[in-house]
Amino acid sequence: GAGVSQSPSNKVTEKGKDVELRCDPISGHTALYWYRQSLGQGLEFLIYFQGNSAPDKSGLPSDRFSAERTGGSVSTLTIQRTQQEDSAVYLCASSLVWTTEAFFGQGTRLTVV
Amino acid sequence: AQSVTQLDSQVPVFEEAPVELRCNYSSSVSVYLFWYVQYPNQGLQLLLKYLSGSTLVKGINGFEAEFNKSQTSFHLRKPSVHISDTAEYFCAVSDREGETSGSRLTFGEGTQLTVNP
Repeated sequence: GAGVSQSPSNKVTEKGKDVELRCDPISGHTALYWYRQSLGQGLEFLIYFQGNSAPDKSGLPSDRFSAERTGGSVSTLTIQRTQQEDSAVYLCASSLVWTTEAFFGQGTRLTVV
Repeated sequence: AQSVTQLDSQVPVFEEAPVELRCNYSSSVSVYLFWYVQYPNQGLQLLLKYLSGSTLVKGINGFEAEFNKSQTSFHLRKPSVHISDTAEYFCAVSDREGETSGSRLTFGEGTQLTVNP
């Protein structure tokens, strides 16, 4: 595709439910990032995938958060037992390894009620 | 580890005035530097980047930034702003040591630029 695609664009869920957020990176990009942007806050790093290397999970805020990247392409961020503080915009980005320039998707706005 | 500090959370200016958005970083290794812009309800868009070479970098929409290694700064400037420049601006840094394996971007807290008529 032409850019990074994220789905859904908006998600409203009840507290305690699990959610899955999807990211389709730009074809050929080996690096994929997940960030979280809360209201009035900067971008909080969550997780980073680079090729076949072990992902950098150092930004995941709790063990309720997990992510996988299948076949080096599509990635899914899963939040289990959602809490109200999980409400935020979740941004995905991808980059070619040798440029390090990251291209961002439009984000998924998650609201936990 | 690296960190980014954007010194101003809010910058209000009048249309056609010059603007400077300040960014300082700290890192134990050489870095790449970026400025991204986020318009309301949209994702982030790259404005400009410094990878190597000339320390003055020109980007889209008339913006430019200057890398100052001694001051560890990468301030963003525009000589004359338009109302359409109203947006949030993020400074970011990535670790050059990760050049062959990729490295994560670390962002500042963002600066809200508001251009008033």
